[in-house]
Amino acid sequence: EIVLTQSPGTLSLSPGERATLSCRASQSVSSSYLAWYQQKPGQAPRLLIYGASSRATGIPDRFSGSGSGTDFTLTISRLEPEDFAVYFCQLYGYSPPITFGQGTRLEIK
Amino acid sequence: QVQLVQSGAEVKKPEASVKVSCKASGYTFTDYYIHWVRQAPGQGLEWMGRINPNSGDTNYAQKFQGWVTMTRDTSISTAYMELSRLRSNDTAVYYCARVTGDYRDYWGQGTLVTVSS
Repeated sequence: EIVLTQSPGTLSLSPGERATLSCRASQSVSSSYLAWYQQKPGQAPRLLIYGASSRATGIPDRFSGSGSGTDFTLTISRLEPEDFAVYFCQLYGYSPPITFGQGTRLEIK
Repeated sequence: QVQLVQSGAEVKKPEASVKVSCKASGYTFTDYYIHWVRQAPGQGLEWMGRINPNSGDTNYAQKFQGWVTMTRDTSISTAYMELSRLRSNDTAVYYCARVTGDYRDYWGQGTLVTVSS
């Protein structure tokens, strides 16, 4: 079973700053099935990035994804107040069919 | 538009069972797997399993084998997740989701299941 490890666990930044979130897979995976989600309190996860680097519908271009193999990154270029949330990476299509990272909490400094 | 609408919050006693429903609309129900994911308070997302609404075939996470049952009723485009022998640490929000690995990603609103004596 592939394990996704996200770092850091918590990231404290100020609005306007750049955020870099990491997701590392325990073995090489296809970037086609690596996604990032944002979750705010009381809400379902929202898809931000799929295929490691493609933005989902309606996602602002300050969100970008990159990476391949075992190392993937979600970057938020300039943080807006509404971006402070928890972020999960997800792997689809392996065994099990869906695996999540443990999440990174992005909090206001 | 695609929607997944789940049943309402439940409060159950330990050792009871709970059955959560997920009604799909806006697409052909039998065309996409329905996945179930849970999230304990303050915790991460945990994949529980999936059902193929067309065939009824299921795949469960190893942790939930023998403990969870996923079914569907194609006549009303609804998927169900039943969890038995509930314990306090099963208190969580349970989500159904249509996840395809690409942009066609939809989630239900979540159902809070509270297990308390």
